Amino acid sequence: EFQLVESGGGLVQPGRSLRLSCEASGFQLGDYAMHWVRQAPGKGLEWVSGSSWNGGRIVYADSVRGRFIVSRDNAKNFMYLQMNSLRPEDTALYYCAKDTVGLTTWGPGTRVTVSS
Amino acid sequence: EIVMTQSPATLSVSPGERATLSCRASQSVSNNLAWYQQKPGQPPRLLIYDASTRATGIPPRFSGSGSGTEFTLTIISLQSEDFAVYSCQQYNNWPQTFGQGTKLEIK
Repeated sequence: EFQLVESGGGLVQPGRSLRLSCEASGFQLGDYAMHWVRQAPGKGLEWVSGSSWNGGRIVYADSVRGRFIVSRDNAKNFMYLQMNSLRPEDTALYYCAKDTVGLTTWGPGTRVTVSS
Repeated sequence: EIVMTQSPATLSVSPGERATLSCRASQSVSNNLAWYQQKPGQPPRLLIYDASTRATGIPPRFSGSGSGTEFTLTIISLQSEDFAVYSCQQYNNWPQTFGQGTKLEIK
């Protein structure tokens, strides 16, 4: 069974950093493109970033470009989202998702709250 | 980036009836469009990919159609478990983008 589990969320002050992790099980992370998607409280889904299978192509949404960095360790089956210069509008539930023509597998999400 | 616009924002339909949800792209995405269902407290679930192909385990009362810039998700014979939020997503271009969602509620 394909599973994803996010971790690393929490309460952080504006301007600070946080690193999220996404652990894959039941499949080889290196076989798939992967994405980060977030959902602010009471709002819709927002695509944050996507990474090709080997990390050779990484694209960011305008809202996070220059502040967020995606990386992956396929050997360990982990993907990461380094979030810098956090803003209150980054407050959301962050999901990682596996790309198999559409996002077929999602984790339960990890909550990030940016507040002083 | 491609902007996805869903309508209506909220749709009220009676159980057993049909629901028709729309999604429009600001430029052509070919058939590279997916639909997701999301219930409170749960991650999204893929329903439809390639505009009209049902994902594994999705019942046939869900169907998708369209190409280019206009897409439709149709749910016939609505069941109680179908009342949820539905979102479309284009994956033709990166950055990928989602619509703002349509809430399907019980009438």
